Amino acid sequence: EAQVTQNPRYLITVTGKKLTVTCSQNMNHEYMSWYRQDPGLGLRQIYYSMNVEVTDKGDVPEGYKVSRKEKRNFPLILESPSPNQTSLYFCASKTGTGGYEQYFGPGTRLTVT
Amino acid sequence: DQQVKQNSPSLSVQEGRISILNCDYTNSMFDYFLWYKKYPAEGPTFLISISSIKDKNEDGRFTVFLNKSAKHLSLHIVPSQPGDSAVYFCAASDLSGGSQGNLIFGKGTKLSVKP
Repeated sequence: EAQVTQNPRYLITVTGKKLTVTCSQNMNHEYMSWYRQDPGLGLRQIYYSMNVEVTDKGDVPEGYKVSRKEKRNFPLILESPSPNQTSLYFCASKTGTGGYEQYFGPGTRLTVT
Repeated sequence: DQQVKQNSPSLSVQEGRISILNCDYTNSMFDYFLWYKKYPAEGPTFLISISSIKDKNEDGRFTVFLNKSAKHLSLHIVPSQPGDSAVYFCAASDLSGGSQGNLIFGKGTKLSVKP
């Protein structure tokens, strides 16, 4: 089954404790992206990657890091989480050759206390 | 500045009637528009899309209309069903403009279809 998976689905952590949210897709997609969803703000892009070793900032990259060492994986790293990063996070992927439709993972609910 | 706007946070419709969700955009370079549906505790799922060279696209009960001169698109759901109750996001992209196909999302409209 074609899908985007994220782990963990739920995470409660404390300020300053580094964490990684993993994202993996099995569709051989070149493009991957991370979004956060907050009440009243919709979906905002954090980082995206056009292919392996190619990443770029989205609209709200502050406080986040990403890496793309393999085509299928695109982890989101919070080196020193803060309460304002409490949010619902989505990973997405799409074909890199002219496609528009992005396929989303199930989401990761992160709470930083 | 918000490039994609969904000005109605919520919409309530009776089962069997038409649901109309609206979306406005400001960037005339957008060349593709998509609607996503999102249920609680799930990721957004693609619903329907339209290219800027068209003014209508239909898929079963779902139709998207694009008015380029007004920079406005709408999603029509006919007839509405209780299972359509979800948050609907409008998104836009300008792949031809070098944005790599990044999507710009609106804030979403929560549709409630009452039996």
